[in-house]
Amino acid sequence: EAQVTQNPRYLITVTGKKLTVTCSQNMNHEYMSWYRQDPGLGLRQIYYSMNVEVTDKGDVPEGYKVSRKEKRNFPLILESPSPNQTSLYFCASSLLSGGEQYFGPGTRLTVT
Amino acid sequence: GQSLEQPSEVTAVEGAIVQINCTYQTSGFYGLSWYQQHDGGAPTFLSYNALDGLEETGRFSSFLSRSDSYGYLLLQELQMKDSASYFCAVSPMDSNYQLIWGAGTKLIIKP
Repeated sequence: EAQVTQNPRYLITVTGKKLTVTCSQNMNHEYMSWYRQDPGLGLRQIYYSMNVEVTDKGDVPEGYKVSRKEKRNFPLILESPSPNQTSLYFCASSLLSGGEQYFGPGTRLTVT
Repeated sequence: GQSLEQPSEVTAVEGAIVQINCTYQTSGFYGLSWYQQHDGGAPTFLSYNALDGLEETGRFSSFLSRSDSYGYLLLQELQMKDSASYFCAVSPMDSNYQLIWGAGTKLIIKP
């Protein structure tokens, strides 16, 4: 089954404790992206990747890091989480940016 | 800057037709996409307009007019399961693989 998986689905952590949210896709897509979704603001792109070892900043990259060492994986790293990073996070993949994006189930992160 | 504007909320009656508009300010883009998101779920792809005109997929249709900087999603024969948020998005030509999203329209359907 073609899918994008994210882990964990829910996470409560404390300020400053490094965390990683994993994302993996099995469709051999070149393009992957991370979004955060906050009420009233829709989806805001954090980082995106056009292929292995090729990443670029989206609209809200501050406080986040990503890596793309393998085509299927695109982890999101929060080196020192802060409460303003409490949000719902989605990973997505697609063949091309303008085409159909496949989203993971989301990760609800709470930073206290 | 580049932005997309959508109404925050639209209410309609089951069985009716509803149109969700998306107006944009962007220098140029490859196409306009629409996504549906149910509460607690992930966005799912509905349609993509690369060219001006109407694209039809079952009960859903999407329209794009580049000259008017405007697009819309049309939902016919509304069903209760269509209650969701709907997002438009564009892929700007000057932002290489980045996507710009509207804030979303919450569609409320009443019996």
